[in-house]
Amino acid sequence: ETGVTQSPTHLIKTRGQQVTLRCSSQSGHNTVSWYQQALGQGPQFIFQYYREEENGRGNFPPRFSGLQFPNYSSELNVNALELDDSALYLCASSLDSLAKNIQYFGAGTRLSVL
Amino acid sequence: DQQVKQNSPSLSVQEGRISILNCDYTNSMFDYFLWYKKYPAEGPTFLISISSIKDKNEDGRFTVFLNKSAKHLSLHIVPSQPGDSAVYFCAASRGSGNTGKLIFGQGTTLQVKP
Repeated sequence: ETGVTQSPTHLIKTRGQQVTLRCSSQSGHNTVSWYQQALGQGPQFIFQYYREEENGRGNFPPRFSGLQFPNYSSELNVNALELDDSALYLCASSLDSLAKNIQYFGAGTRLSVL
Repeated sequence: DQQVKQNSPSLSVQEGRISILNCDYTNSMFDYFLWYKKYPAEGPTFLISISSIKDKNEDGRFTVFLNKSAKHLSLHIVPSQPGDSAVYFCAASRGSGNTGKLIFGQGTTLQVKP
């Protein structure tokens, strides 16, 4: 059984650029959640995708957007990058969107915005 | 507004002794709580969870206690092992909702000394 995989592992961008991060969910999981973890903080919920539809969003501006594909893999897109977007971006998959289902995390993508 | 707080940034214990990690929350709507462990360069790994209808849940060396009146939960690790050295995050969600949005604390770094 393949776990949650994220790519790339590291990324360096400059302010104003756009970035796409990718996530492959665990086999059998139809729900993907994205989190941002700043240095020294806990992960913060960005949004969740359930069966290709956005199913909940945290307190992030519209320049953070996402997609989920028919195979339940997912992308996180961030436009007009700002210095404060530098963080570890974590993707988690779960069996479905119910809160009682455990979210399994990937190792994350470390984004640096210069 | 930090809805989930881990007030101790770090904890150091001797191998074989008990480790107690604490977490407080403010939102009385939370009814499902989880603990995750994170090693450097890896994603958070699920440890143990508890529903608000219980006050204790055990899994091997790990026990989580929930005190709803105090809005407090704790994770006990007995006996502690050097391999337990990691960052521990508590997380909360509204299990009655259909979005598994997790609200994380800031984390506590546990060091278990041989």
